[in-house]
Amino acid sequence: NAGVTQTPKFRVLKTGQSMTLLCAQDMNHEYMYWYRQDPGMGLRLIHYSVGEGTTAKGEVPDGYNVSRLKKQNFLLGLESAAPSQTSVYFCASRTVRLAGDETQYFGPGTRLLVL
Amino acid sequence: LAKTTQPISMDSYEGQEVNITCSHNNIATNDYITWYQQFPSQGPRFIIQGYKTKVTNEVASLFIPADRKSSTLSLPRVSLSDTAVYYCLVGGPYTDKLIFGTGTRLQVFP
Repeated sequence: NAGVTQTPKFRVLKTGQSMTLLCAQDMNHEYMYWYRQDPGMGLRLIHYSVGEGTTAKGEVPDGYNVSRLKKQNFLLGLESAAPSQTSVYFCASRTVRLAGDETQYFGPGTRLLVL
Repeated sequence: LAKTTQPISMDSYEGQEVNITCSHNNIATNDYITWYQQFPSQGPRFIIQGYKTKVTNEVASLFIPADRKSSTLSLPRVSLSDTAVYYCLVGGPYTDKLIFGTGTRLQVFP
């Protein structure tokens, strides 16, 4: 049981390049999230998904696209990277239980540097 | 969405009890209160969760008053390894978006 994994761990891009970050979870969770965290700052929600085939915008969605073709995977794409997207990206997943226990499980993060 | 407000930072010394309060005035009936801890270069990890009154586990206690408009995370006898950022999050079964606040940066000194 690996929990939440993220690929790659670190990446350097040039301005204008594109890339895809992969998040995978093996806990059969319905909800998945992408956050970004700039140095010394809190986490900001980029996009999220409440189930396979669904996605929705978070607080800072501009410049990013997402897809959830399989329940266990949530992809974050940068079509044309900008220096302002230099950040650490965290993926999280959670299940839904009516009795509570809305805990999110986070991945180790992907460090992205855009030059 | 219930917005949360926490102190930006707190300092403590080893062995002391630390209480971090979170304000969430517009918490909904179905919302739970969850606290996360984040070390540098790591993702946040779950500490404790509660709905009302008091919850205690092996690492912390969570106090929630009757009106549920605030909550207090209590860390007994902190050590240097408790230096981290602590986030309060409010959400429930019907919450799709989970928005983090600014968090509280706790610095523990020897």
